[in-house]
Amino acid sequence: KQEVTQIPAALSVPEGENLVLNCSFTDSAIYNLQWFRQDPGKGLTSLLLIQSSQREQTSGRLNASLDKSSGRSTLYIAASQPGDSATYLCAVTGSSSYKLIFGSGTRLLVRP
Amino acid sequence: GAVVSQHPSWVICKSGTSVKIECRSLDFQATTMFWYRQFPKKSLMLMATSNEGSKATYEQGVEKDKFLINHASLTLSTLTVTSAHPEDSSFYICSAPRIAGGIDEQFFGPGTRLTVL
Repeated sequence: KQEVTQIPAALSVPEGENLVLNCSFTDSAIYNLQWFRQDPGKGLTSLLLIQSSQREQTSGRLNASLDKSSGRSTLYIAASQPGDSATYLCAVTGSSSYKLIFGSGTRLLVRP
Repeated sequence: GAVVSQHPSWVICKSGTSVKIECRSLDFQATTMFWYRQFPKKSLMLMATSNEGSKATYEQGVEKDKFLINHASLTLSTLTVTSAHPEDSSFYICSAPRIAGGIDEQFFGPGTRLTVL
């Protein structure tokens, strides 16, 4: 059974810092991995999707990497801003369905 | 990105009543949609997979008679919470995978907050 873990559970940093969020999964037979952002009381916004054949994806200040063999992904946020404060969730899909298995999330606070 | 809508965004109801939540994919068709439940400060828990033209598939521990799912068309799935009780109060979110260029990416609705008095 696939399990997804995110570390740390919460993170508080001053504005401008570069930071890394970690995601690990127990079954390396994934189809793809997605990183999402969730603001309080809101739905999820897709940030980056990495297919199993890819090693990284970039969008603006965000860079996500994937090491399938070790079951790990990282989300790198450069030059953090207070507007980046949110919960970040990673999720994986298996090869046989579109089901997403979520990690428990990292709550990020970027202090002005 | 693709757009998925949910209606209503919030609902308050009395215990014992039924509540219907709609999930629509606005600019793409989805033969499959997913329903999640989220408790405060917790991650999303998959409840069921909604399949257009066939019965929904429920995750272990989710009562299918309690949470009725109907995938009425390629752009609409509904979740009905029957005989709602206060413990059903939660944030319900749907998602739909959009397949383009051989890549499937999940898009989420904005969620529906249900409060049962």
